[in-house]
Amino acid sequence: DAKTTQPPSMDCAEGRAANLPCNHSTISGNEYVYWYRQIHSQGPQYIIHGLKNNETNEMASLIITEDRKSSTLILPHATLRDTAVYYCIVRVAGFSGGGADGLTFGKGTHLIIQP
Amino acid sequence: DSGVTQTPKHLITATGQRVTLRCSPRSGDLSVYWYQQSLDQGLQFLIQYYNGEERAKGNILERFSAQQFPDLHSELNLSSLELGDSALYFCASGGIGVQETQYFGPGTRLLVL
Repeated sequence: DAKTTQPPSMDCAEGRAANLPCNHSTISGNEYVYWYRQIHSQGPQYIIHGLKNNETNEMASLIITEDRKSSTLILPHATLRDTAVYYCIVRVAGFSGGGADGLTFGKGTHLIIQP
Repeated sequence: DSGVTQTPKHLITATGQRVTLRCSPRSGDLSVYWYQQSLDQGLQFLIQYYNGEERAKGNILERFSAQQFPDLHSELNLSSLELGDSALYFCASGGIGVQETQYFGPGTRLLVL
């Protein structure tokens, strides 16, 4: 799976949009971009994923650049409850057959929402 | 609430002991994944079971083992425990393949004294 690079921490004012960047310059054509978050020591929570088109759900939007080398997770109206560590993960499509099918978590971005 | 349950929530034991962590996946999910989160190693994938069969291995120690039962619940067995095994242990459930999202349980916090 491709390696990702994220800033270690970011601040955002409550009510504003939080834009979390992720660099995945070595991503392959069959790798998806996944975002998870972990609030304090709770279990990681799935947010969104995409291959090349932009995606939106009730939690967030995912913008993937045309060359797929980077992406941005957007939380449109951040609240204090969005304070968490956000993980960007790239993962090969389909079971890799002999390789691990688990997720590879990096250090993520610690997003702090300021009141 | 992800629909994945884990027991116990907390576990305190001594070095050299053996413990069993339990996970019940979401209804309909055939895959169970186990992860370990320690302060120095971060979140690490340990092992995956799919419909009762071991499917993939990550950074799992030989002292650790897991199984998935016919009712699809899974157990992670940790033996000859060391201080460094103190960590949060998460179970996730999902399908197979990248399009199948993994949903995580609340975790079991293990403290080895």
